[in-house]
Amino acid sequence: DGGITQSPKYLFRKEGQNVTLSCEQNLNHDAMYWYRQDPGQGLRLIYYSQIVNDFQKGDIAEGYSVSREKKESFPLTVTSAQKNPTAFYLCASSIPGARHLNTEAFFGQGTRLTVV
Amino acid sequence: GENVEQHPSTLSVQEGDSAVIKCTYSDSASNYFPWYKQELGKRPQLIIDIRSNVGEKKDQRIAVTLNKTAKHFSLHITETQPEDSAVYFCAASISVRGGNTGKLIFGQGTTLQVKP
Repeated sequence: DGGITQSPKYLFRKEGQNVTLSCEQNLNHDAMYWYRQDPGQGLRLIYYSQIVNDFQKGDIAEGYSVSREKKESFPLTVTSAQKNPTAFYLCASSIPGARHLNTEAFFGQGTRLTVV
Repeated sequence: GENVEQHPSTLSVQEGDSAVIKCTYSDSASNYFPWYKQELGKRPQLIIDIRSNVGEKKDQRIAVTLNKTAKHFSLHITETQPEDSAVYFCAASISVRGGNTGKLIFGQGTTLQVKP
């Protein structure tokens, strides 16, 4: 499984602590995304970035933060302000419409975060 | 912003029957509609996609139809097999050459069970 890598696969956090999820891709994609997956709610967009040093809030950005200092990396920090952080988090990357019309998103294998 | 509704949330069919999953979207500017399949414990993977300049696309047993006027699109799986059992997600995106969107919004997912 090359291309886009998330780590760790499982993560446990104590209440009140911040935690950072890693996402790295070697596909030379400009766009990267973070989604949260909960049962029955599909994939909800947290943040996305279409170019280095730029990112936009998605539908559920509250309690999360991101950075995009390198093209290959888009880490997500789950802060203590996120009231219900236990979920499955998926990172994805794609080539945005600026260069190609095909915007297929490639996903990492996900990180399951549990607050204990 | 874009909103994607997906139905049904669960679908059970007998092996060999057809399965149809429907999605509606809200933003008339959306022009890229991919479908993803997520097997248990795995990452979502693209199975078929369609752009707004075509009404139907087929790939072996899988087909997608798009009605731009009604803003809905559907996934059709014929001759279903047990290995088709998975969660299926539709999505909508705006893809513009020279633009910079690429934001991908997903439906809530459909759990398809194919009974042998």
